[in-house]
Amino acid sequence: NAGVTQTPKFRVLKTGQSMTLLCAQDMNHEYMYWYRQDPGMGLRLIHYSVGEGTTAKGEVPDGYNVSRLKKQNFLLGLESAAPSQTSVYFCASSTSPRANQPQHFGDGTRLSIL
Amino acid sequence: QQPVQSPQAVILREGEDAVINCSSSKALYSVHWYRQKHGEAPVFLMILLKGGEQKGHEKISASFNEKKQQSSLYLTASQLSYSGTYFCGTDSGGSNYKLTFGKGTLLTVNP
Repeated sequence: NAGVTQTPKFRVLKTGQSMTLLCAQDMNHEYMYWYRQDPGMGLRLIHYSVGEGTTAKGEVPDGYNVSRLKKQNFLLGLESAAPSQTSVYFCASSTSPRANQPQHFGDGTRLSIL
Repeated sequence: QQPVQSPQAVILREGEDAVINCSSSKALYSVHWYRQKHGEAPVFLMILLKGGEQKGHEKISASFNEKKQQSSLYLTASQLSYSGTYFCGTDSGGSNYKLTFGKGTLLTVNP
């Protein structure tokens, strides 16, 4: 029972490079989320999706793009990486709104931008 | 706007009790509590709905005061395994289901 799987687990980029983080869930959840976690800042929502083909901005969306072409996958893209995007990125998924169900988190991707 | 958690950090001896508070400036539909150990993903503890419902999970329980827009997490007779960072996530209702997390409370339980 995999749950939420994030790839890659670690990555080092140079400033200006691009990359895509993949999140896959096998729980048939409608909602998916991307967070970043920085020391002392908690979890901050980057983008989220309420279903296949939909995306919406969260608290800190600048510099990121997302796509949800398939229900089970949610991709986070960095078009031109900046040192300020060095962080731990978590993906989460949950069932439909107001279902009072928890968010299930992946193990995270540790990204360093030099 | 992020909910405010207090205290920022607390150190306990095994067997002692602790209370972690979460306060929001917005009206809340629900409050979620998660625990995260160093280097790991956040793990769900419980959800509280508006209406002052109190829930429990082993020796960890929580309350939610809708009028004050506050929630408190109670850890009773703490165990070493309770160490970690505790986050509250608040849901202010609306058409989409998303949480806004606080900055966390670091709990350390020593033998």
